[in-house]
Amino acid sequence: ETGVTQSPTHLIKTRGQQVTLRCSSQSGHNTVSWYQQALGQGPQFIFQYYREEENGRGNFPPRFSGLQFPNYSSELNVNALELDDSALYLCASSLGLVGYNEQFFGPGTRLTVL
Amino acid sequence: GIQVEQSPPDLILQEGANSTLRCNFSDSVNNLQWFHQNPWGQLINLFYIPSGTKQNGRLSATTVATERYSLLYISSSQTTDSGVYFCARIRSGGGADGLTFGKGTHLIIQP
Repeated sequence: ETGVTQSPTHLIKTRGQQVTLRCSSQSGHNTVSWYQQALGQGPQFIFQYYREEENGRGNFPPRFSGLQFPNYSSELNVNALELDDSALYLCASSLGLVGYNEQFFGPGTRLTVL
Repeated sequence: GIQVEQSPPDLILQEGANSTLRCNFSDSVNNLQWFHQNPWGQLINLFYIPSGTKQNGRLSATTVATERYSLLYISSSQTTDSGVYFCARIRSGGGADGLTFGKGTHLIIQP
C-alpha cells in the first residue's frame, strides 16, 4: 500500500509569484484535503476535494485554489504569493469525506516566500 | 471560543517516565484523531478515536465524547517519542469540514 506523497519537498518563491504543489493520495482513497501549517502552530484546513469537486473550505482567500484529477491526485495553487504564505503545506487523503473518515498525511512541502 | 484546547503546552520528562496529554473540545465530534509530528514535519497517525478507548503498544487513548475530552497516554517514554503531539477534531454534522487542530503539546524526552 502506497502512502500519501507530495512534491516538491522544498520550494522558494518571491512575493507576487504563483506556485503549484502536488499530492498523490494513498491508494484506494478518493478524498484529498490540504492544510497550511505556519511555524509553531497547528495545521489549518484550506479545502478538501471529493470526486474532483471542492467540498468544504476553510478561511482562506480565493487565491488559494485546487484541482483533483480522476486518479484522485491533487494540486494546490496559490496566486499572488505573500510573505505570510511561507509555511509547511500538508496534503491528506481519506476514504470518503473527512468528517467521517480517518485522514492520513503526506510529508509536506515547505514553501518559503521572499 | 477555543474549539480544541491541548494541555500541557510543553512537557519535559526523563526516559522511562509515563505521561498523559489532554485534549478538550467545545462541541460533539464526528472525528477525533491524535497525531505525532516528527522533527521533519511528518504527521504520524496515532489514533482515530471519536469515542472509546484504544491501545497500541506503549500508547493508549481514551475519548469521553459526552464530556468533550480525550486523553493520550504514553508509558515508558523513549527519546524517539519526542516531538509535538496534536489532537484534531471535526464537529458532528461537519461532513465538509476539515480537521481543526489544537496548538499541540511539545514533548521532550531526555535520556
